[in-house]
Amino acid sequence: AQSVTQLDSHVSVSEGTPVLLRCNYSSSYSPSLFWYVQHPNKGLQLLLKYTSAATLVKGINGFEAEFKKSETSFHLTKPSAHMSDAAEYFCVVSGDTGTASKLTFGTGTRLQVTL
Amino acid sequence: DTAVSQTPKYLVTQMGNDKSIKCEQNLGHDTMYWYKQDSKKFLKIMFSYNNKELIINETVPNRFSPKSPDKAHLNLHINSLELGDSAVYFCASSLRGSKSLFGQGTRLTVV
Repeated sequence: AQSVTQLDSHVSVSEGTPVLLRCNYSSSYSPSLFWYVQHPNKGLQLLLKYTSAATLVKGINGFEAEFKKSETSFHLTKPSAHMSDAAEYFCVVSGDTGTASKLTFGTGTRLQVTL
Repeated sequence: DTAVSQTPKYLVTQMGNDKSIKCEQNLGHDTMYWYKQDSKKFLKIMFSYNNKELIINETVPNRFSPKSPDKAHLNLHINSLELGDSAVYFCASSLRGSKSLFGQGTRLTVV
């Protein structure tokens, strides 16, 4: 069985300061990991995906995440927060059945960006 | 536009009714999914179909029945709706287990 734990339910940063959203995973094999973002009353948008090609993954909107096997972590970062980054962020691990990708979601981290 | 589209976006209905949510993707994907997001924002997979074949069927009340007429469509039918069914339901699709793309969600409110 696999799972992800998002360590913070709520993170608040000032505009222009760095963002760090923490995620730890548990998987019995080399996992596929994702970060998705959900803006208020919107659908889910894929930010980035890790599939063992490179440990540092660059995503959209200036976000990136680093896969650290020794720490079983996949934290999401951004150097400088923007007001438009305020949203719910989900760390996700995939259980690949071969023909389907069963996504297991973390409980989410709400990012608040203040002036 | 290539996308995963769900209809309706909002659905308000009374307890005991039967309702359907439709999902279509024009991405050429072969796998489609239904996820449920509860009031605490927690997302959980319900079903998955690959080429019209059910391959993931989580512990879901049998009042929920997915139907896939072809690999571009996956509809969700819910019988005898209950208050606890109120949630946002997301459709998603992927190609052979690769990254999943999600629809905009259907907010179901049972009153």
